[in-house]
Amino acid sequence: EAGVAQSPRYKIIEKRQSVAFWCNPISGHATLYWYQQILGQGPKLLIQFQNNGVVDDSQLPKDRFSAERLKGVDSTLKIQPAKLEDSAVYLCASSADTSGGAYEQYFGPGTRLTVT
Amino acid sequence: GQNIDQPTEMTATEGAIVQINCTYQTSGFNGLFWYQQHAGEAPTFLSYNVLDGLEEKGRFSSFLSRSKGYSYLLLKELQMKDSASYLCAVRDWAGGGNKLTFGTGTQLKVEL
Repeated sequence: EAGVAQSPRYKIIEKRQSVAFWCNPISGHATLYWYQQILGQGPKLLIQFQNNGVVDDSQLPKDRFSAERLKGVDSTLKIQPAKLEDSAVYLCASSADTSGGAYEQYFGPGTRLTVT
Repeated sequence: GQNIDQPTEMTATEGAIVQINCTYQTSGFNGLFWYQQHAGEAPTFLSYNVLDGLEEKGRFSSFLSRSKGYSYLLLKELQMKDSASYLCAVRDWAGGGNKLTFGTGTQLKVEL
């Protein structure tokens, strides 16, 4: 079974530039998550999709971040414009969980973003 | 919201046993997960508890007390490869879907 795919793996941009990340979840997983992980901290949920609908985006800075999951499969996360404090690893995860149960999240390798 | 507390760092000796504690406060508890994260890698699933008691899986065990808002991860027969960050994550049922909130992680260092 193929895991969660993410690209790019690394990205360096200057502040005020734009960047986009792509995620392809495990086939059949209804729920997709984007996390931001700053060095030394745990992952922080940015947005959660179930199929192509948003379940939770309460911690997404909507003035600069946007995400979509067209057709309920792949997803993209965009930052426009980037700030220095956006430097972090952006993790995508997917899960078969839709209503509870022992459904763990499977994480992709992440995209390490550096904003200079 | 949620408040998840776990120690920042721990050090243990190869072959020994270590217990990593996690306390949490939440309104719609719907399960607790432990993840392992090696430096520069993605988190990987270790264990899941939703009912009180101990879940054992090889060298790893996880305990949950819902009334106390407390869990621990027990690692036995420590190996050098167990040096990693251990993340406690609490799942809430938050109107419309489950939300997983992670603690800051406990950095475990295993020494000879």
